[in-house]
Amino acid sequence: DAGVTQSPTHLIKTRGQHVTLRCSPISGHKSVSWYQQVLGQGPQFIFQYYEKEERGRGNFPDRFSARQFPNYSSELNVNALLLGDSALYLCASSFGRSSGNTIYFGEGSWLTVV
Amino acid sequence: SQQGEEDPQALSIQEGENATMNCSYKTSINNLQWYRQNSGRGLVHLILIRSNEREKHSGRLRVTLDTSKKSSSLLITASRAADTASYFCVTGSNDYKLSFGAGTTVTVRA
Repeated sequence: DAGVTQSPTHLIKTRGQHVTLRCSPISGHKSVSWYQQVLGQGPQFIFQYYEKEERGRGNFPDRFSARQFPNYSSELNVNALLLGDSALYLCASSFGRSSGNTIYFGEGSWLTVV
Repeated sequence: SQQGEEDPQALSIQEGENATMNCSYKTSINNLQWYRQNSGRGLVHLILIRSNEREKHSGRLRVTLDTSKKSSSLLITASRAADTASYFCVTGSNDYKLSFGAGTTVTVRA
């Protein structure tokens, strides 16, 4: 079975641009979460979507948005990119919405903002 | 969920030795999970231990949980070069998110 898949794996954007990152969860998983990991730190929670609705949001500005599609895949959008948005963006999926479920991560999308 | 705090921050061992790292947390939990992250890659789920369990094994991994001390440990036996990675503990609850600490960086020397 395929794991959590993310695309693109690497990308470079210029300050002020917009970026869209994509995630396909494990088949049968209804929950998708997004995390940002800056170099040298642990991942920080951005969003959780469950059954196509936003169920939780971390301490990130409104430039960050996401959505979940009927097939449970998800997109993370970041507008007006800043240098500080350079990070590894991780998508995670689980069957249920609580953190008590085993949560599986994709390989991530490396975003560099120049 | 709440943030797990890993200790030590970094650990360097010889291949074949055991590696032990610890995790502390502050409030009641339903379970605790350990993840591994190889440099620049995604996180790999290693093991989940429930609050009513005291010890769990998976291959060369041994996890203990002491809810009275609000702490957990991860032991990797007979370490290999491929075990070089960062290790994170995360507590699970009825909350929707995982809160990560900075992790323990393990370097296994050949």
